[in-house]
Amino acid sequence: EAQVTQNPRYLITVTGKKLTVTCSQNMNHEYMSWYRQDPGLGLRQIYYSMNVEVTDKGDVPEGYKVSRKEKRNFPLILESPSPNQTSLYFCASRPDGATEQYFGPGTRLTVT
Amino acid sequence: GEDVEQSLFLSVREGDSSVINCTYTDSSSTYLYWYKQEPGAGLQLLTYIFSNMDMKQDQRLTVLLNKKDKHLSLRIADTQTGDSAIYFCAEEGRSYIPTFGRGTSLIVHP
Repeated sequence: EAQVTQNPRYLITVTGKKLTVTCSQNMNHEYMSWYRQDPGLGLRQIYYSMNVEVTDKGDVPEGYKVSRKEKRNFPLILESPSPNQTSLYFCASRPDGATEQYFGPGTRLTVT
Repeated sequence: GEDVEQSLFLSVREGDSSVINCTYTDSSSTYLYWYKQEPGAGLQLLTYIFSNMDMKQDQRLTVLLNKKDKHLSLRIADTQTGDSAIYFCAEEGRSYIPTFGRGTSLIVHP
């Protein structure tokens, strides 16, 4: 089944403890991106990647890192999480030149 | 930067039509999208329209685009309880980075 998977789906952690949220897609898509969704603010893009080894900042990249060593994986790294990074995170992918993005199921992160 | 605005809530009766409105600021927008997010799930593309089109119809969905006023609307005919969800408007220009609105919560009551 063609899909975007994220792990974990739920995570509660403490301030300063490094964490990684994984994202994987099995559709051979070139483009991948990370969003955070907050009440009243909608979706805001954190980082995106047009292809392997190519990553760029979105609208709200501060406090996050990403890597794109392989086409299928696009992990989101929080080196030192803070409470203002408590949010719902979505990974998405799409083929080059296509219009539709395919979203993962979301990861709900709470930083205490 | 680019901005996409939409109202936060819409309540309709089952069987009525729903109209969700969106305005955007980027005059170079190429694609405009409507996504649906059901509770506990990710976003799913409902429909999209190219900026050189005025209207697109797909079964119960009608998208209208007024490029001059930078206004996009989504009409859902014969709204059902299963249509209750958050609807996101998004636009994408030459930057290849989509900008999403804050989402409109559609509540359908019997």
